[in-house]
Amino acid sequence: DTAVSQTPKYLVTQMGNDKSIKCEQNLGHDTMYWYKQDSKKFLKIMFSYNNKELIINETVPNRFSPKSPDKAHLNLHINSLELGDSAVYFCASKVGTSGSDTQYFGPGTRLTVL
Amino acid sequence: GDSVTQMEGPVTLSEEAFLTINCTYTATGYPSLFWYVQYPGEGLQLLLKATKADDKGSNKGFEATYRKETTSFHLEKGSVQVSDSAVYFCALYSSASKIIFGSGTRLSIRP
Repeated sequence: DTAVSQTPKYLVTQMGNDKSIKCEQNLGHDTMYWYKQDSKKFLKIMFSYNNKELIINETVPNRFSPKSPDKAHLNLHINSLELGDSAVYFCASKVGTSGSDTQYFGPGTRLTVL
Repeated sequence: GDSVTQMEGPVTLSEEAFLTINCTYTATGYPSLFWYVQYPGEGLQLLLKATKADDKGSNKGFEATYRKETTSFHLEKGSVQVSDSAVYFCALYSSASKIIFGSGTRLSIRP
């Protein structure tokens, strides 16, 4: 059984388009995250939700809008895609908000903007 | 602010060699420390962690000890295998309630 799943795995699109990436976790976790990994493998947090409430919102363009319909899902919608948005996007979850909790990562969505 | 600095890669070793990947951190207080591993084409997986000073995390032959005196959490393995080839990330849980990752170290093991 997949613990944290993301769809799609690959996404190729034109500049200016709007796209969404979906994430689901079946671990019963309360906290979910979105990360962006650039071509040099640098990993940076974008958003975090706890029980459907936004708790971390890093300096991310407002073209990026997360949405958590329930605590098992955290989707990421991106408007007006730009070349610089090309990256691998990872969803992750953990059981609570403790610093020692392990984060479980999805397999990633490779976004290519042409 | 909190930060993690880890050894630049790539690191290339022969099978059965000894591995050290250095990691140092800057943080308020004593954060939990982690090593995550990313195999090609996959997401990150927790390799090991330590939550307080002098704790040693270990898994799959890898070890790291939380050293508050030197603010370090170096990753070691006595005898690496080809299957250990991956990117390794050192990370800490910051005072801002988020994980901060180092830049990653790519490890390649030659048969």
